Amino acid sequence: ELKVEQNPLFLSMQEGKNYTIYCNYSTTSDRLYWYRQDPGKSLESLFVLLSNGAVKQEGRLMASLDTKARLSTLHITAAVHDLSATYFCAVDFLLRNYGGATNKLIFGTGTLLAVQP
Amino acid sequence: DSGVTQTPKHLITATGQRVTLRCSPRSGDLSVYWYQQSLDQGLQFLIQYYNGEERAKGNILERFSAQQFPDLHSELNLSSLELGDSALYFCASSVGSSGPWRLFFGSGTQLSVL
Repeated sequence: ELKVEQNPLFLSMQEGKNYTIYCNYSTTSDRLYWYRQDPGKSLESLFVLLSNGAVKQEGRLMASLDTKARLSTLHITAAVHDLSATYFCAVDFLLRNYGGATNKLIFGTGTLLAVQP
Repeated sequence: DSGVTQTPKHLITATGQRVTLRCSPRSGDLSVYWYQQSLDQGLQFLIQYYNGEERAKGNILERFSAQQFPDLHSELNLSSLELGDSALYFCASSVGSSGPWRLFFGSGTQLSVL
């Protein structure tokens, strides 16, 4: 079964603190994506990670991928209130079947991040 | 603005009814994806179309169907609606049919079944 799990599901943190969100997945994949969703809004792409050891950084957010451990992390440095949102990881699973192969992008449960002043 | 357009933004209907959700992908994108987001199920992949053909299927109910037209816009048809179908339905688009790709999401259609 294709499963993508995130933890924690909810994270309340103070401004200026650091924290990490974890994304585990069940089956081999070397393609992982992070998205951000503001309340009542759509999903916005943050990072695309395409190989083992990939690391991407944008502002106070840094994402990494360990395909052997089937784990991705989203690290938040010196959080600010503007980072409050729900963060999703999504894993691209390649499914081989008779006649070819298809990709399925499966999203994690999401992590609701609330940064308190 | 992602460039993906979804209509309507809100839809309120009764159980047993049928509705159609519409999606126009970003200019140049050939793939359209439909996702359902609810509090208890999270973000669930429903179905993907590429250049008019069904490409991948997820947890889509038999009461639901979709299609992609020659102009690449897509429609998601939901019939015999139940209370549990109330959710936020997102459409997303990408350039290709398979990864690696970045999905661009529309603003969603909030469906309320009363």
